[in-house]
Amino acid sequence: MQLVESGGGLVQPGGSLGLSCAASGFTFSAYYMEWIRQAPGKGLEWLGLVRTKANSFTTEYAAPVKNRFIISRDDSMNSVYLQINSLTIEDTAVYYCVRKSLRYRSGSDFWGQGTLVTVSS
Amino acid sequence: TQLTQSPSSLSASVGDRVTITCRASQGISMYLGWYQQKPGKAPKLLIYDASTLQSGVPSRFSGSGAGTDFTLTISSLQPEDFATYYCQQLESYPITFGQGTRLEIK
Repeated sequence: MQLVESGGGLVQPGGSLGLSCAASGFTFSAYYMEWIRQAPGKGLEWLGLVRTKANSFTTEYAAPVKNRFIISRDDSMNSVYLQINSLTIEDTAVYYCVRKSLRYRSGSDFWGQGTLVTVSS
Repeated sequence: TQLTQSPSSLSASVGDRVTITCRASQGISMYLGWYQQKPGKAPKLLIYDASTLQSGVPSRFSGSGAGTDFTLTISSLQPEDFATYYCQQLESYPITFGQGTRLEIK
């Protein structure tokens, strides 16, 4: 199984960035997919998730990012995406693509290695 | 739902029994998970539903609790257990994490 994030890098404040996550080794379409980030030296921050086609690809977001972040997926590409708009220095973090367990309310059972986003002028 | 872990950091020795607590600001039934994170690595799910061990996790790890108060116990610390531990509530959205407990070698 693999989750491979890409798209991180250095971005200027106020800009936008799109992250991608390519999944392999499991039935991607069956799983809710999440994004979680971790600022340097800080704890984990849940950003949001996208549900499956059976659940109409609906999304949930953390309140602080709800108006700036968009999570989407393409099951034909086995990929999940995170669009981040109006970047600020506080968005500097490692962004993890994460698979949510199929068990009801049972956590995130597989994580990518993360991609670093640095927001700086 | 806010999660508060204690302690924030902990020093212990190999072989020690260690307990980390996680308190939720409101009842979350049994919908709590515990994660282990080592430096430079992604977190790893240890326990879900407050007390169920994820496949492959050593039996020295155990979890308990329900409602608002939860604990993670490591019965006999091994060298590979020195890491940061996070609790996570899954009872309602948005999902939230505790601030983490750093477990260091004494």
